[in-house]
Amino acid sequence: QVQLQESGPGLVKPSQTLSLTCTVSGASISSGGYYWSWIRQHPGKGLEWIGHIYYTGSTYYNPSLKSRVTISLDTSKNQFSLKLSSLAAADTAVYSCAREHPRMSTVNWGQGTMVTVSS
Amino acid sequence: DIQMTQSPSSLSASVGDRVTITCRASQGISNYLAWYQQKPGKVPKVLIYTASTLQSGVPSRFSGSGSGTDFTLTIGSLQPEDVATYYCQKYDSAPWTFGQGTKVEIK
Repeated sequence: QVQLQESGPGLVKPSQTLSLTCTVSGASISSGGYYWSWIRQHPGKGLEWIGHIYYTGSTYYNPSLKSRVTISLDTSKNQFSLKLSSLAAADTAVYSCAREHPRMSTVNWGQGTMVTVSS
Repeated sequence: DIQMTQSPSSLSASVGDRVTITCRASQGISNYLAWYQQKPGKVPKVLIYTASTLQSGVPSRFSGSGSGTDFTLTIGSLQPEDVATYYCQKYDSAPWTFGQGTKVEIK
């Protein structure tokens, strides 16, 4: 059974960089066949796809966030990470990591972690 | 980038009613369309992928159809446990954009 778990700070100051990690169990992120993604949900709002990474290191980001986002892999720890820079209050959201299949869509989700941007 | 537009944004129906939610892509996406159900405080759960394939374990009252730009999620007979927000997502190519969601309530 594949499980994903996000970790990182719950409170970050404006203008700082958010760093979140997703630890994967039950699957290897260095195997092919799946993308590893980040998705966020503003309080009371819909889902926003942030970006994903393939085991080769190839990435694709949401154009609306592209200038501020970096997603990377740490295969030694079976983890992948999100960095989001120049934070503002509008970045306050629940951030979730997920596993995507090219044919079956988003098949596994982490529980999500609430991040608040405030001074 | 391709935009995904869902309608309606919310609906209220009686138990046993047939409910239909639509999702329109601004360009053709073949059948790379998934539907998710999200209950309050919970993680989204995939109901349907490739537009019409029912995910294992999902009740058969859920069905999907469509191809190209226009897609539909149908709940054949609405049940109290179906109260949730439903999202479509395109995944033919990145970005894997979501629709804005449809909140389903019981009348």
